[in-house]
Amino acid sequence: QKEVEQNSGPLSVPEGAIASLNCTYSDRGSQSFFWYRQYSGKSPELIMFIYSNGDKEDGRFTAQLNKASQYVSLLIRDSQPSDSATYLCAFQGDFNKFYFGSGTKLNVKP
Amino acid sequence: GAVVSQHPSWVICKSGTSVKIECRSLDFQATTMFWYRQFPKQSLMLMATSNEGSKATYEQGVEKDKFLINHASLTLSTLTVTSAHPEDSSFYICSAPRDGRLRNQPQHFGDGTRLSIL
Repeated sequence: QKEVEQNSGPLSVPEGAIASLNCTYSDRGSQSFFWYRQYSGKSPELIMFIYSNGDKEDGRFTAQLNKASQYVSLLIRDSQPSDSATYLCAFQGDFNKFYFGSGTKLNVKP
Repeated sequence: GAVVSQHPSWVICKSGTSVKIECRSLDFQATTMFWYRQFPKQSLMLMATSNEGSKATYEQGVEKDKFLINHASLTLSTLTVTSAHPEDSSFYICSAPRDGRLRNQPQHFGDGTRLSIL
C-alpha cells in the first residue's frame, strides 16, 4: 500500500520566518515528488516538484529530497500571510497516478 | 490561466439523483485524466483513472457501477455519480498531466465540484 505521511499541523509561524514542511513516503520506487498548496474550498495548485536527491530552489520555496530516507520537505522563506494554506505532498506511482498525504495546515501570523 | 476546466462548480440535489461532472483539458490533449474525491479536512483520494478509448481503471474500494467514467474524447472526461446519496457528498476534483505518455509530469487540477446531496 502506497502511503504518504504528513504532520497535519497546524504549523504556526510569524510573518517573515521560515516555514518547514515535512513528508515521508513508503514507496521506495517513487521517482517524482510534488508539493501542492490548497486553499480552503479550492483545488490544489502546484508549488514545486523534485526528482533528484538534494535541494531545488524556486523563489522563496526550496524542496529537499532524500530518497535513502524516503523523505521530502518544503521550506518557505520570508513567509507571508498569503502562504497560509494546506500543503499537500504527493508522489507519483505507476501509470502517472498521484498519491497524496493528508496535508499540513500552515498559519502565517502577521 | 487554467489548463483544466471542471463543471459544474457546485451541485445540490436530492437523494437518488444522478449527477454528471465534466472535466476538460483546455489547450492540450489528455489521453489520461484522474478523478479524486476529498472529504472535509482529509486528503485527496484517487478514485479512478480515465483512459481515452478504453475503460476506466478504478482504485480498490471504488464502485465502478456507482461512479461511471466516460472519456469521450481527448479533451473530455465525465464522472457520473449514479443514484447519489448523502454519503456521496464530497469535493470531486479531476486532474490531467499535460502529456500522459511521459512520466514525471505534474498534474493540472480542475477547480473541483462540490456535491451536496440532500
